[in-house]
Amino acid sequence: AQSVTQPDIHITVSEGASLELRCNYSYGATPYLFWYVQSPGQGLQLLLKYFSGDTLVQGIKGFEAEFKRSQSSFNLRKPSVHWSDAAEYFCAAYSGYSTLTFGKGTMLLVSP
Amino acid sequence: DSGVTQTPKHLITATGQRVTLRCSPRSGDLSVYWYQQSLDQGLQFLIQYYNGEERAKGNILERFSAQQFPDLHSELNLSSLELGDSALYFCASSVGVRLDNTGELFFGEGSRLTVL
Repeated sequence: AQSVTQPDIHITVSEGASLELRCNYSYGATPYLFWYVQSPGQGLQLLLKYFSGDTLVQGIKGFEAEFKRSQSSFNLRKPSVHWSDAAEYFCAAYSGYSTLTFGKGTMLLVSP
Repeated sequence: DSGVTQTPKHLITATGQRVTLRCSPRSGDLSVYWYQQSLDQGLQFLIQYYNGEERAKGNILERFSAQQFPDLHSELNLSSLELGDSALYFCASSVGVRLDNTGELFFGEGSRLTVL
């Protein structure tokens, strides 16, 4: 079955440190891939997306993600985390049918 | 502000009752999607409407139904409510019936349903 896995439920990072959130997908063919962010009390906002081409994708708020076909991964990164980045992050995939399939999310906590 | 409006923001009701959640999509968007977010299940796709017609169904219970009206707003009806239906219900919209071109869903802030 098609699925998106985010192995980490919670991650704590010190402010100013680098961040990497993991995402793996299981699809027959490479799907379109997305990262969304959900701040407390808010809806989900798109950070970035990968359709094809360059495997390193730049997004908003200083985030980037790298697509690795060999590892079926699409990990999200940020060089220096700010306290305002504390939120829940969702990886999602789209195979051309219906709508996005989301991972269960990773809660990012930022420590001073 | 995504441009997607959901009402009510919070709703508390009792088991066995029926509620209606309302969604107005972004201006120009023809597709509306409903998602349920709970701690144990995560974000689960319920149903999609495009220009008034049902286009895709996900894990939607038979006690739940939805529709999209000519003005493109959508309603999600939840009936015979159970404790386990307590969740955050999101509406999202997109321009077309598929996500290939832009790939972006625009989400509302959600309606939090508590069933007591």
